[in-house]
Amino acid sequence: GAGVSQSPSNKVTEKGKDVELRCDPISGHTALYWYRQSLGQGLEFLIYFQGNSAPDKSGLPSDRFSAERTGGSVSTLTIQRTQQEDSAVYLCASSLSGYGYTFGSGTRLTVV
Amino acid sequence: QQPVQSPQAVILREGEDAVINCSSSKALYSVHWYRQKHGEAPVFLMILLKGGEQKGHEKISASFNEKKQQSSLYLTASQLSYSGTYFCGTVTGGGNKLTFGTGTQLKVEL
Repeated sequence: GAGVSQSPSNKVTEKGKDVELRCDPISGHTALYWYRQSLGQGLEFLIYFQGNSAPDKSGLPSDRFSAERTGGSVSTLTIQRTQQEDSAVYLCASSLSGYGYTFGSGTRLTVV
Repeated sequence: QQPVQSPQAVILREGEDAVINCSSSKALYSVHWYRQKHGEAPVFLMILLKGGEQKGHEKISASFNEKKQQSSLYLTASQLSYSGTYFCGTVTGGGNKLTFGTGTQLKVEL
């Protein structure tokens, strides 16, 4: 597609439930990134996929968070046993190496 | 380590100029600049690479001082549409992973 697509755009879940967030990057972009942004805050790095290399998971806040990227394209971020502090906007971005990021519109996650 | 931006916030009258600074404690490979409007995703403005190459929008200018590990974004003849939060992002190692700065809120008024 023309841009980075994320789904769902909004997700309300109960504390303790698992959620899956999806990102469909721009076709041909080799790099894919996940960030999260709490209300009024900056962008916190979560994970980075570059081509066929092992992902950089250094930003994942706990082992409840995981992500995969299938076939070098679509990525899924999974949060298990959600907590209230997981509430945030989860942003996905893709890029070519050495170029700027194109962000998706994000998934607003609310844990109640 | 998160890069530090200054100022934290600035209010301009339309037509005025502004400079936003980004400072890192680590050696930089590249610096990106993004603008985020309320409720929207960040939008890429410019990338500055080690060695002097720049890629971005023609109406945006920025500088990259590799020795001082700093970058500055120059907004001239500001328009109402320039309002938003500006983030720098720095790459300090291999690859293209960005660590975003603390953000600068810019408001342009009539």
